[in-house]
Order: sequence, then structure tokens, then C-alpha cells
Amino acid sequence: DGGITQSPKYLFRKEGQNVTLSCEQNLNHDAMYWYRQDPGQGLRLIYYSQIVNDFQKGDIAEGYSVSREKKESFPLTVTSAQKNPTAFYLCASSISRDDEQYFGPGTRLTVT
Amino acid sequence: QKEVEQNSGPLSVPEGAIASLNCTYSDRGSQSFFWYRQYSGKSPELIMSIYSNGDKEDGRFTAQLNKASQYVSLLIRDSQPSDSATYLCAVNFFSSGSARQLTFGSGTQLTVLP
Repeated sequence: DGGITQSPKYLFRKEGQNVTLSCEQNLNHDAMYWYRQDPGQGLRLIYYSQIVNDFQKGDIAEGYSVSREKKESFPLTVTSAQKNPTAFYLCASSISRDDEQYFGPGTRLTVT
Repeated sequence: QKEVEQNSGPLSVPEGAIASLNCTYSDRGSQSFFWYRQYSGKSPELIMSIYSNGDKEDGRFTAQLNKASQYVSLLIRDSQPSDSATYLCAVNFFSSGSARQLTFGSGTQLTVLP
């Protein structure tokens, strides 16, 4: 079955700790994305990658970092520099930058 | 600033009625338009994409695009309680260079009453 997986589904961390969210896809898509969603709001782009070993900042990249060492994987690290990290994090992928994006199930991060 | 505007709702319709969801966008050069459905606590699911002016039908769903008015809508015919969700409009805007960036509206919450 082709799809996008994210783990874990729920994540709890103490303030000041870095945390890495996993995103894997087996759709053979070139482009991958990370979004953040806060209650009652739309999705905001954190980072995107069009090809392996290349990624670009989105609208709200401060306090986040990513890597793209393999086509299938695009992990997101939420660093201690992120002021309000508690949110629903969504990973998506598409065949190319201009195509329809498909989402993984999301990771709900709570930082206290 | 590229913007996508939606009425937040909530929009309530009785079962069997037509639900009409609307979206306006700020960039006249936009080429790709998408509707996603998001159930509470879940991730968005793509339900329609539209690229040219006019109507596009898929089952009970019809997307309508009017680029001159910078307006895209989603009609849901014979609405069912299972259609109750938040509907997100997304528009591909040109960003740096020739790359496009998908920008989402904040969503319209739809409730279909049995």
C-alpha cells in the first residue's frame, strides 16, 4: 500500500528539548513538505524539499530544521528555539512542486 | 502577501441539501486550486483539484472556478452527515523564482444535520 507515514502520532516533550518528527513516503514523490496547523487555523508551510539533499524555508522556518538524505524520508526537528512548538504537524508529498499534495496522518506535539 | 479567504462558518445544512463553500484568492496569476476535507483531529484529504475556468464534477462534488473574479467554490450535492468536516481551500501561488507555493485558507466548518 502506497502512502505517507508519520510517527509518532502523539509526542510530549518538556520545554528546552529538541524533538524530531518522522515522515516517510513510498509514493516515489520528489517533493516533500512540512506544515504546522494551530487550532482553527489553516496550514502554514515550515520547510519543503524538491529533491534529495536540497530543501527550502517556508513561511515559518524559524526554530525548525530538516534534512533530506533519502527520497523517501524528510524528518523535521523542532528545536528549543521555537517559541510556541505545541501544534499539529503535517507532512505532505507530491510528484513535483506544482502537483497535488497528499498528507500523512500527522503528529500532535505538546510541549510543557 | 498571498491570501486565500474562506468563511469560517460554521455552515449548517440539512441532510440531502446542497452545501456551497466559497473561497477567494488574491493572486490573479494562480493556476492550481484544490479542496481538502479535514475531519476533526485528522489530516487533510484531497477531494478535488481544478485548473481551468468552469465546473468540474466528481460524484456528489462539483468544483467551480472563475479566474476573472478570483473565486473558487465547492458544491456538495445530497449532503450526508458524514460530510460534516472542515473544508480547506488551497491555491498555488508563485513564490520565489518560478516555484509555486500552496497556500491554504483557514477552512469552513460544515455540519450536515440529520
